[in-house]
Amino acid sequence: DQQVKQNSPSLSVQEGRISILNCDYTNSMFDYFLWYKKYPAEGPTFLISISSIKDKNEDGRFTVFLNKSAKHLSLHIVPSQPGDSAVYFCAASVWTDSGYALNFGKGTSLLVTP
Amino acid sequence: DGGITQSPKYLFRKEGQNVTLSCEQNLNHDAMYWYRQDPGQGLRLIYYSQIVNDFQKGDIAEGYSVSREKKESFPLTVTSAQKNPTAFYLCASRELRDSPYGYTFGSGTRLTVV
Repeated sequence: DQQVKQNSPSLSVQEGRISILNCDYTNSMFDYFLWYKKYPAEGPTFLISISSIKDKNEDGRFTVFLNKSAKHLSLHIVPSQPGDSAVYFCAASVWTDSGYALNFGKGTSLLVTP
Repeated sequence: DGGITQSPKYLFRKEGQNVTLSCEQNLNHDAMYWYRQDPGQGLRLIYYSQIVNDFQKGDIAEGYSVSREKKESFPLTVTSAQKNPTAFYLCASRELRDSPYGYTFGSGTRLTVV
């Protein structure tokens, strides 16, 4: 059962505008949330994270917002640039006996057009 | 430079053949992971290992096997029992004591069954 859901498989945004990527989760035990960026034929690279005790984390053009009551997080990219075109994966982490386990969403493909 | 190396980048296999994907890391990370990516499916965990000579099944282990004889190496064998082996395979590693955003991914291997 998918515990991390990215319901929008794709998103198209004009350069300079805001991109908003959404992610929902079902497990209230998740303690960290992460966003990864992936270009075709490459491995994902870590973008930004947020702890479950915070509601916002900002890093340059990227901001992640967490709404724990709604079990929802979002990634905002402002302003969007053509180089941001990639697949973005939302991931959530929970501590288990075997260590941290990462659950990934299915990804949202972002296209930033000039 | 430390990192994870996956080889080959592209691999073709005939139906009924076993094939082994290589993953080597020089980060001195304890844990290593194999994920499979299919279009619209996100990243699904195949196997993981937290210590040499020990490994656990992930969510989709059927048709795959692994070994962890050395800390730096975690090869994945796709056996003939795997019904749909054509996919993009990603290897990752992390230091167990890190927070969850310590995951480092390789650049992936694209396996195609012909």
